[in-house]
Amino acid sequence: GENVEQHPSTLSVQEGDSAVIKCTYSDSASNYFPWYKQELGKRPQLIIDIRSNVGEKKDQRIAVTLNKTAKHFSLHITETQPEDSAVYFCAASKESGNTGKLIFGQGTTLQVKP
Amino acid sequence: NAGVTQTPKFRVLKTGQSMTLLCAQDMNHEYMYWYRQDPGMGLRLIHYSVGEGTTAKGEVPDGYNVSRLKKQNFLLGLESAAPSQTSVYFCASSSHPSGSYEQYFGPGTRLTVT
Repeated sequence: GENVEQHPSTLSVQEGDSAVIKCTYSDSASNYFPWYKQELGKRPQLIIDIRSNVGEKKDQRIAVTLNKTAKHFSLHITETQPEDSAVYFCAASKESGNTGKLIFGQGTTLQVKP
Repeated sequence: NAGVTQTPKFRVLKTGQSMTLLCAQDMNHEYMYWYRQDPGMGLRLIHYSVGEGTTAKGEVPDGYNVSRLKKQNFLLGLESAAPSQTSVYFCASSSHPSGSYEQYFGPGTRLTVT
């Protein structure tokens, strides 16, 4: 079955710097890749997603890039702020499977130091 | 509009006891999911449902059972709890296939098995 690997497990940056989190997936049929943010003690929430027919998507300070050939995708956060501190999860899914199942990576704890 | 709710928020069980976790959503979503979250392991899918009266196994189904008798409710049962089932349990729902793939999560249930 699908496997998603996420790196790094922890990331510490200075406020204003950029942060990059990378994920690789195993199933070449996967075509939907969301990113979820989970603040301490809270529920995960979708922040951005990308489908395999595009290579990059941006939403203000966050962007996601996808390399289908290499089977990896990345989350980029620019001009980080303390409120970006959270655990970030990548996931992969096959829309053709018609189940909406997501396979999640292990998570990255991002700390933004003021 | 409460979104996705979970009952209870916290529970302590002794080994061998049974319990049921309740998930309810008021968004008329077809698809519902149960995950467990353990440190360093991300969110792992236990069981899911693509509609009222249907259920299917996820990545880690052993030791759990589910039922979806009503569209808005998804129950997760532990028949004989084990310490390995100590975890935070999240329920989620999505409007797929009729709409977005985004999964909306409940607030979580923290379960400790002693």
